[in-house]
Amino acid sequence: DAKTTQPTSMDCAEGRAANLPCNHSTISGNEYVYWYRQIHSQGPQYIIHGLKNNETNEMASLIITEDRKSSTLILPHATLRDTAVYYCIVRFYNQGGKLIFGQGTELSVKP
Amino acid sequence: DAGVIQSPRHEVTEMGQEVTLRCKPISGHNSLFWYRQTMMRGLELLIYFNNNVPIDDSGMPEDRFSAKMPNASFSTLKIQPSEPRDSAVYFCASSLGFSSNQPQHFGDGTRLSIL
Repeated sequence: DAKTTQPTSMDCAEGRAANLPCNHSTISGNEYVYWYRQIHSQGPQYIIHGLKNNETNEMASLIITEDRKSSTLILPHATLRDTAVYYCIVRFYNQGGKLIFGQGTELSVKP
Repeated sequence: DAGVIQSPRHEVTEMGQEVTLRCKPISGHNSLFWYRQTMMRGLELLIYFNNNVPIDDSGMPEDRFSAKMPNASFSTLKIQPSEPRDSAVYFCASSLGFSSNQPQHFGDGTRLSIL
């Protein structure tokens, strides 16, 4: 299984963009990159996923490098409610339902 | 739209008692997953179903754990007998199929404490 490496923690000022990096240098061509976040005492929340192309939805943007060995999740205007642990997950196509969560990045948005 | 609904939200019981956790997936979703989260092991998949059929239960820790999905809108995870080391937050998730291109959506979990 491709593994991911994320910084343990990051800070971001409220209203600024939060850029969360993830390295997945052993990713293979049929593996998706997923991002989830978990706010204290809640279940993991799906944010976005992608295979090769950059993706954007109402929550965030996902930028995947051309060689697919790393990606960045961008929260364009971070708010205090975005404070959470963010998980970058590489999901193999034939793993069925399995999502393997690592330790994630603890993002603190500060006023 | 209603998300994944889990009950109870909190459960405190004594060692040896039977515990039943319940999950209602998102309507129309045909895959359902049970996860457990602890400080030591993080989030780990216990079992998942597709079209009400168990597909992979390799994550179920012991025979004391069992899961059922009698219909498309309901699943249970049962622990009998319960032990203090089963204390954790148990999450249920559902998705439209279990291909890697289908995101899973999680409920808010059941916080289980075994005394």
